[in-house]
Amino acid sequence: AQTVTQSQPEMSVQEAETVTLSCTYDTSENNYYLFWYKQPPSRQMILVIRQEAYKQQNATENRFSVNFQKAAKSFSLKISDSQLGDTAMYFCAFMKPTGTASKLTFGTGTRLQVTL
Amino acid sequence: KAGVTQTPRYLIKTRGQQVTLSCSPISGHRSVSWYQQTPGQGLQFLFEYFSETQRNKGNFPGRFSGRQFSNSRSEMNVSTLELGDSALYLCASSYGTVANEQFFGPGTRLTVL
Repeated sequence: AQTVTQSQPEMSVQEAETVTLSCTYDTSENNYYLFWYKQPPSRQMILVIRQEAYKQQNATENRFSVNFQKAAKSFSLKISDSQLGDTAMYFCAFMKPTGTASKLTFGTGTRLQVTL
Repeated sequence: KAGVTQTPRYLIKTRGQQVTLSCSPISGHRSVSWYQQTPGQGLQFLFEYFSETQRNKGNFPGRFSGRQFSNSRSEMNVSTLELGDSALYLCASSYGTVANEQFFGPGTRLTVL
């Protein structure tokens, strides 16, 4: 079974600064997908960024980028120019392409607080 | 497009009762997945339905069941409620092909007294 570990329960960053959230995972699969989801307070969970394991290039989405280290099974999220609206729980998630099933395995989350 | 909707948003039940939660996916999405979110266990996968068939199942007791209708709307049922079933239940919809982006609903907050 796959496991996803987020070792930082809470983090704080000042507005406009950069912060990196850590995620490690354990799997015997060679092909899989990794995601970062954001869950703002009392709001819906939304996808921040995704990475296909077979792609060596790190994914980026505007201010969000990942550092994907397949051999180390590490998948960290970097948020640049942090904004107050980035305050949320961030979940790292794993999905293996078993047929076409869509099961996500989530980490325990990191609560990010962006301060003035 | 309208997003994923879940009803009801809040629910209070007592132990031993049963409950049915509903999820309407984004138009055109054929896959609906259900997750339980609790402070202690985090986000755990319950099951996924695709074209009215359960295609994947998590490690939950048989008290948790679901179904999907021909219009892709899904319901989740929990029978003989226990205090530990108190949680935020999230559903997510997608087109259902490999690693499609899943769009989450706002969740149903279930409290069992």
